[in-house]
Amino acid sequence: AQKITQTQPGMFVQEKEAVTLDCTYDTSDPSYGLFWYKQPSSGEMIFLIYQGSYDQQNATEGRYSLNFQKARKSANLVISASQLGDSAMYFCAMREGNSGNTPLVFGKGTRLSVIA
Amino acid sequence: DAGVIQSPRHEVTEMGQEVTLRCKPISGHNSLFWYRQTMMRGLELLIYFNNNVPIDDSGMPEDRFSAKMPNASFSTLKIQPSEPRDSAVYFCASSLISSGRGAQYFGPGTRLLVL
Repeated sequence: AQKITQTQPGMFVQEKEAVTLDCTYDTSDPSYGLFWYKQPSSGEMIFLIYQGSYDQQNATEGRYSLNFQKARKSANLVISASQLGDSAMYFCAMREGNSGNTPLVFGKGTRLSVIA
Repeated sequence: DAGVIQSPRHEVTEMGQEVTLRCKPISGHNSLFWYRQTMMRGLELLIYFNNNVPIDDSGMPEDRFSAKMPNASFSTLKIQPSEPRDSAVYFCASSLISSGRGAQYFGPGTRLLVL
């Protein structure tokens, strides 16, 4: 059974600083995908970044990067130069297989608060 | 391009009433997922469809819940009869099966309150 663990219920970061949100996963499938989503207070789920299990390089999308350590089964999200608008819930998720036809399993989320 | 569309955005109903939630996936996407979000259980899968065919409905809480996808551009989730414990945010998401990364794009959600 697959499982996603986010151990930080809440995090604080100073504006313009970098922050790392932790995520560990568990799966026996050699092919899988890891995702991060942002949920602001308005409630929508916004896709941020994706990392495939066979990807050799860490994924990056603008200020977001994913620190993928396959042996440790961790997929931490790094947000650089934090902005007030980054304050939100962040969810790590995983799907098994290598296509878009299987569901995601989500972690419990981390609430990030950016302080001015 | 339009994203995933859900309606209604908010629904308040009384226990015992029928509730129907609607979803229009992103055009061209061929996988559709219904998730439910509560404080206690987080985000959990209810059911998903590939090419309009239900694949796994093991997450549907009980027989009071049913879902259909009559065509590629429309899906419904129905609760009959509704109960207070069904109060939650219901999300619809879609993805493209052939996409290498298979990112799921979420609708804005339907916030359901059953009194």
